[in-house]
Amino acid sequence: AQSVTQLDSQVPVFEEAPVELRCNYSSSVSVYLFWYVQYPNQGLQLLLKYLSGSTLVKGINGFEAEFNKSQTSFHLRKPSVHISDTAEYFCAVSDQGTGGFKTIFGAGTRLFVKA
Amino acid sequence: DAGVIQSPRHEVTEMGQEVTLRCKPISGHNSLFWYRQTMMRGLELLIYFNNNVPIDDSGMPEDRFSAKMPNASFSTLKIQPSEPRDSAVYFCASTDSGTGGGKPQHFGDGTRLSIL
Repeated sequence: AQSVTQLDSQVPVFEEAPVELRCNYSSSVSVYLFWYVQYPNQGLQLLLKYLSGSTLVKGINGFEAEFNKSQTSFHLRKPSVHISDTAEYFCAVSDQGTGGFKTIFGAGTRLFVKA
Repeated sequence: DAGVIQSPRHEVTEMGQEVTLRCKPISGHNSLFWYRQTMMRGLELLIYFNNNVPIDDSGMPEDRFSAKMPNASFSTLKIQPSEPRDSAVYFCASTDSGTGGGKPQHFGDGTRLSIL
């Protein structure tokens, strides 16, 4: 069965500092991995996804993530954060089950960027 | 292109009343998901449909909750009777899973439900 663990519930960081949001997953089959961002009073939006190929995936707003199969991790990184990056970030895993593809979301990590 | 459209955006009603939340998925998408988000429990999958057929409703909290998808462009989530503990933000999402996996879900802006 799939599961997703986001290791930090909150991450405070100063503006222009680097940040890493950690995500570990488990699945018995090949998976697709995603990071989503949720701004206040909005739905989730896709930041980036890993399907296959290069393990380093680049997304919108300067974010990138690295797929590590041996460590079953998909950590999200940004070299220099802005105030506007303050939001909640969700890691998600998807694989094929009965009737179609189901996505499991992690509990979320709240990123708080301070001036 | 229009995204996933949910209505209403906000709903405030009294305990015991029937509540109906509506969702219009992105045209061409064949999978639709209903989620509930609260501070205590995070994002929970309630039910998902594939080609208008309910595939997994194991997340539906109890018989007071029901969901339908009468056609490819419309879905409803109904709570009857509503209770204060149903207060949450309810999201609808859709995706095109017809040609394989790896397709991201597209979320609506949610319905903020308050049961007094």
